[in-house]
Amino acid sequence: EAQVTQNPRYLITVTGKKLTVTCSQNMNHEYMSWYRQDPGLGLRQIYYSMNVEVTDKGDVPEGYKVSRKEKRNFPLILESPSPNQTSLYFCASSLSAGTAYGYTFGSGTRLTVV
Amino acid sequence: GIQVEQSPPDLILQEGANSTLRCNFSDSVNNLQWFHQNPWGQLINLFYIPSGTKQNGRLSATTVATERYSLLYISSSQTTDSGVYFCAVAMNTGNQFYFGTGTSLTVIP
Repeated sequence: EAQVTQNPRYLITVTGKKLTVTCSQNMNHEYMSWYRQDPGLGLRQIYYSMNVEVTDKGDVPEGYKVSRKEKRNFPLILESPSPNQTSLYFCASSLSAGTAYGYTFGSGTRLTVV
Repeated sequence: GIQVEQSPPDLILQEGANSTLRCNFSDSVNNLQWFHQNPWGQLINLFYIPSGTKQNGRLSATTVATERYSLLYISSSQTTDSGVYFCAVAMNTGNQFYFGTGTSLTVIP
């Protein structure tokens, strides 16, 4: 089944403790992206990747890192999480950006930083 | 970045009614998509529609790129249509996506 898999689904952590949220897709998609969703703000793009070893900042990259060493994986790293990073996070992929292909989203990761 | 405004922010419909959701954007785009987020949080792509009109069952969408807006039509609404509808765009010059704040739709039986 074609899908984007995020792990974990839920995570509670403490301020400053490094964490990684994994994202993997099995569709050979070139374009992958991370979003955070906050009430009243919609979804905001954190980072995106056009292909392996190519990443770019989105609207709200501060406090986050990403890497794209393999086409299928696009982990999101919070090196020193803070309470303002408490949010619902989504990973998404597409065959290519800017073409007639829609996004496929993962199921989301609800992160709480205390 | 590009501004994306959706209206109305909230909508309550009786089952069977029709509705129109609107998305205005502030700059030229080469990518516009509509998404539905169901009450369990799952985001589903409905349409890729940077211009023109598309239909899929009871849903259809129209984008008038020159006037910088898109419309999502829901006909004969069902309770399963409830959730939040998002519009997202990417500018002609880049691959960064911008989402609107969504329209929250509740369909009551």
